[in-house]
Amino acid sequence: QVQLVQSGAEVKKPGASVKVSCKASGYTFANYGLHWVRQAPGQRLEWMGWIYVGNGDTKYSQKLQGRVTITRDTSANTAYMELSGLRSDDTAVYYCARDLGVMEPCDYWGQGTLVTVSS
Amino acid sequence: EIVLTQSPGTLSLSPGERATLSCRASQSVSSSYLAWYQQKPGQAPWLLIYGISRRATGIPDRFSGSGSGTDFTLTISRLEPEDFAVYYCQQYGSSPLTFGGGTKVEIK
Repeated sequence: QVQLVQSGAEVKKPGASVKVSCKASGYTFANYGLHWVRQAPGQRLEWMGWIYVGNGDTKYSQKLQGRVTITRDTSANTAYMELSGLRSDDTAVYYCARDLGVMEPCDYWGQGTLVTVSS
Repeated sequence: EIVLTQSPGTLSLSPGERATLSCRASQSVSSSYLAWYQQKPGQAPWLLIYGISRRATGIPDRFSGSGSGTDFTLTISRLEPEDFAVYYCQQYGSSPLTFGGGTKVEIK
């Protein structure tokens, strides 16, 4: 069965960077894209960006452009999301989610990774 | 950026009742690229509907989607106990992909 397993919770200081991993299993990793979506406490879901695993093409939210980088390691069936210049309003649960097609909805989600930014 | 506004914010209903959730877009959603998700506390969202009205794999037929252009509806024909949750709409026709603010369906 399709599974996306994310790395554990992180606590970071303002200005630092965080890198969250997402290990996929149960399907052919290279044949799908992956979205990254975050949810701050009490806020709506926010799309951060996307990678097509097969060729590494990426798209990013303009709001986060320059601070977010999404990569993948096809040999490890793992994708990564790195967010730099952390601020307190980056405190959120970060999700990876498999793309149903190409820039389509998310049909399977990871369990989420809580990133807390605090001095 | 397309802004999605969901209403009502909270819907209080009893099991067996019909739920009608609305999602309005600030501009037309291209190519019918509108989806709905369900999220329960402490869990990731779960895809229910995509392409306005196509049910995702394993989603029961009491869930249906409709609409076009800027106005969309998710209908749950008869609420089951497991349906009480928060529901989000999402447009994926233009970047950035955006989500609505959610409708909480709670037990009356």
